[in-house]
Amino acid sequence: SQQGEEDPQALSIQEGENATMNCSYKTSINNLQWYRQNSGRGLVHLILIRSNEREKHSGRLRVTLDTSKKSSSLLITASRAADTASYFCATPQGGSEKLVFGKGTKLTVNP
Amino acid sequence: DAGITQSPRHKVTETGTPVTLRCHQTENHRYMYWYRQDPGHGLRLIHYSYGVKDTDKGEVSDGYSVSRSKTEDFLLTLESATSSQTSVYFCAISLTSAGIYEQYFGPGTRLTVT
Repeated sequence: SQQGEEDPQALSIQEGENATMNCSYKTSINNLQWYRQNSGRGLVHLILIRSNEREKHSGRLRVTLDTSKKSSSLLITASRAADTASYFCATPQGGSEKLVFGKGTKLTVNP
Repeated sequence: DAGITQSPRHKVTETGTPVTLRCHQTENHRYMYWYRQDPGHGLRLIHYSYGVKDTDKGEVSDGYSVSRSKTEDFLLTLESATSSQTSVYFCAISLTSAGIYEQYFGPGTRLTVT
């Protein structure tokens, strides 16, 4: 069953612009994770935010978490063509050793 | 890539034939997972393992079996492949800290069932 749902499904921007992707989920969680997938490759772990955190930064990435709205956002600042990829949010399901992934946002950054 | 390899990377097989995909890790991680990825469905968990000989079903386990006789190897078997099992299959392991599990993925296996 899908836990996280990303929005939008696809996003196309110019290099240098910021990209924002959103994730909504259904049940209480202790953490939310974001992953990136380049075309034809496996997913790569980007950043994790715990339920007691509201915002977290890593380089050009900024993640927010609003547990009252059951939503998270991933902001990529000053995007580059190399950021072109699909981005997925993932949340624990049942026992936290299992993650449930959303269907992803496909980001295209045009040079 | 957390020392994860998958083999084969590409396979074409005929309907009704058995297929085994292998996931190999080099760092003694306890948890291993098999996912399939399809357009419109995202990533879905097939089976996972929490130790040697300890496995459990995921969301889409019908038609698949797994085995883990050694810590480093997690095998996914399609006993009788069907066209609906055409997909990209990913193996993953978990790194854990304070009850939080981060997953790291292999490069994937593209399977086509004709």
